[in-house]
Amino acid sequence: GAVVSQHPSWVICKSGTSVKIECRSLDFQATTMFWYRQFPKQSLMLMATSNEGSKATYEQGVEKDKFLINHASLTLSTLTVTSAHPEDSSFYICSARGNSGGLSYNEQFFGPGTRLTVL
Amino acid sequence: AQSVTQPDIHITVSEGASLELRCNYSYGATPYLFWYVQSPGQGLQLLLKYFSGDTLVQGIKGFEAEFKRSQSSFNLRKPSVHWSDAAEYFCAVGAQNAGNMLTFGGGTRLMVKP
Repeated sequence: GAVVSQHPSWVICKSGTSVKIECRSLDFQATTMFWYRQFPKQSLMLMATSNEGSKATYEQGVEKDKFLINHASLTLSTLTVTSAHPEDSSFYICSARGNSGGLSYNEQFFGPGTRLTVL
Repeated sequence: AQSVTQPDIHITVSEGASLELRCNYSYGATPYLFWYVQSPGQGLQLLLKYFSGDTLVQGIKGFEAEFKRSQSSFNLRKPSVHWSDAAEYFCAVGAQNAGNMLTFGGGTRLMVKP
């Protein structure tokens, strides 16, 4: 149980285009989802926290107008990178947290990540 | 705010040797502690976690970690390393007073010599 998927697993796009990444909790309801960014050979940095039905909370330094997050249902959150540029190329990882069905509120379950390359 | 330090950026061990990866945290209350492993181009896999209780925690793949409050440490150990253990290892702390958000250490890259 507690499986999180991401789609796509990798994407290549042209500079100036927008890219949407989906994060789904497959077998539990995720009241909260988190989006992380990981540069090569670096650690994960939290970008934003999204709660179902409300606006996302962005970490300091993360542009909310560039990284649009929507958490429209208890099983789906999306991250849209708008007007992508080469410096946005990175590995984006989502995680989800549920607090029912035996899942601990204290634990996050991670997706497999999406590699974005902007040409 | 909480923070996590993994002092060793790279560690190389011989296959069959024992392993210890260090993790030190800074947090004002009892933390929730995690160790994750990441293979190249992959997501994170949870190895083990500490919430409360027994300070010696057993995880998957033969890993264990010990929470030492006096040293603010949560070091990961394995008695005999396999070549398949080569990966990036991340320690993370969850803060109860910050919505249980995770803060990750910088990671330790483990290389295994045959």
